[in-house]
Amino acid sequence: EPEVTQTPSHQVTQMGQEVILRCVPISNHLYFYWYRQILGQKVEFLVSFYNNEISEKSEIFDDQFSVERPDGSNFTLKIRSTKLEDSAMYFCASSGTSGRRSYNEQFFGPGTRLTVL
Amino acid sequence: ELKVEQNPLFLSMQEGKNYTIYCNYSTTSDRLYWYRQDPGKSLESLFVLLSNGAVKQEGRLMASLDTKARLSTLHITAAVHDLSATYFCAVDIFKAAGNKLTFGGGTRVLVKP
Repeated sequence: EPEVTQTPSHQVTQMGQEVILRCVPISNHLYFYWYRQILGQKVEFLVSFYNNEISEKSEIFDDQFSVERPDGSNFTLKIRSTKLEDSAMYFCASSGTSGRRSYNEQFFGPGTRLTVL
Repeated sequence: ELKVEQNPLFLSMQEGKNYTIYCNYSTTSDRLYWYRQDPGKSLESLFVLLSNGAVKQEGRLMASLDTKARLSTLHITAAVHDLSATYFCAVDIFKAAGNKLTFGGGTRVLVKP
């Protein structure tokens, strides 16, 4: 069964360093998302990406964050200068079908635990 | 702004008894989802509810949706230890360029023998 994969599973970095989190969405999906979950808290939307551009972003997704789909398979989240408060689990998700009004279930990857020291 | 609230936040269950988790949301939404999350793990999709009055069941779990009341419930029948996890509800609003999920705060369930 197709699944979303993420690497690395755990990333430890120093404050101020850049990190890139990688995701491989399900191959025929069209919509891509990043969410984050601070330990013990709820899952929060960061950004959605469709047709090679950001379609929506949250207040959390400031200038320190960027997303890219560098080739036909990978979807990356970059944090330019990490802060302590960026420590969280980051989930990638993807969903399929076209843009018409239809049911679009999101499938989540296993997550990358980011620890900023 | 769409807000999603779950209650209770924590539920200590006894094996064999029945319990309900509630999910309220603030504005009209197209779909409601229930997810399960084990500690340190990803989100496992349990149910997708698409219309008013929708009811879905899988094993000891049953979810329902009342769009007029903006309320979904997740009912657990005869709880067993394997159901210990955190349960999240989430809602979305359809947009042509993707559907952002807004999650509730989660209900941490602990089933004791």
